[in-house]
Amino acid sequence: SQELEQSPQSLIVQEGKNLTINCTSSKTLYGLYWYKQKYGEGLIFLMMLQKGGEEKSHEKITAKLDEKKQQSSLHITASQPSHAGIYLCGAGEGGGADGLTFGKGTHLIIQP
Amino acid sequence: GAVVSQHPSRVICKSGTSVKIECRSLDFQATTMFWYRQFPKQSLMLMATSNEGSKATYEQGVEKDKFLINHASLTLSTLTVTSAHPEDSSFYICSARRSGNTIYFGEGSWLTVV
Repeated sequence: SQELEQSPQSLIVQEGKNLTINCTSSKTLYGLYWYKQKYGEGLIFLMMLQKGGEEKSHEKITAKLDEKKQQSSLHITASQPSHAGIYLCGAGEGGGADGLTFGKGTHLIIQP
Repeated sequence: GAVVSQHPSRVICKSGTSVKIECRSLDFQATTMFWYRQFPKQSLMLMATSNEGSKATYEQGVEKDKFLINHASLTLSTLTVTSAHPEDSSFYICSARRSGNTIYFGEGSWLTVV
C-alpha cells in the first residue's frame, strides 16, 4: 500500500515568514491532494495535483508535484495567523475510485 | 460554502446502542463516498468506500457488521455504528469525489460512547 511521509511534523514560523511543507510517497502519485484541517474539524480542500511538474497557486499558497510524481511541496509565502492549522497531503492509488491515503500531517503554528 | 455536509456534528450515545451518521453531497451527485476515522492527533484512516446501489467496500481490519454503510441515493451515504462501545469513540469524517477528481470532505462527526 502507498505510504506518505510528511515533513516536518510540526513547524513554528514567525508571522510574515515563508515556509515549506513536504510530502513524499513510496509510490508514483496519481493524484496528490493538499488539505488544511483544524483538529476535530473538517478538511478544507486546498489543491490537487496530477501531472508531473505541475504547480498550482491559490492566494499565498503554492503546491508543486515533482516530475517523477513522488514528491510534493506546499509553500506558503508571507505567512499569516490564518494559515495556522494541520496540513495534510493525501493520495489515491490511481483509477479515480479509491479513498485517499494520508500523511500524518504537519502542524503549523504562526507566531505573531 | 460546504459542498459535503455531515450530520450530526456531535453525538453522545450509550454503550450498546447504535448511532447513525449522515453524509450528503450538497450540489453534486456522488456515486462514491468515503468514510474515514481519525484518532486524537493522528491522521485520517480510510474505513470504507460507499458505493451507490451496491455494497460498501471495507478496508482491512474494519468490521463490516459493526460499521454499516448504506449509500441509498446519489447524494446520501450513512454510517451506522452498531452496538457502540467506548473504544468506538472517535472523529468520523466522510468525503465525496466531485467531477474533475476533486475530493471534498464533510465537517466531521464526533462520536462519544458512554
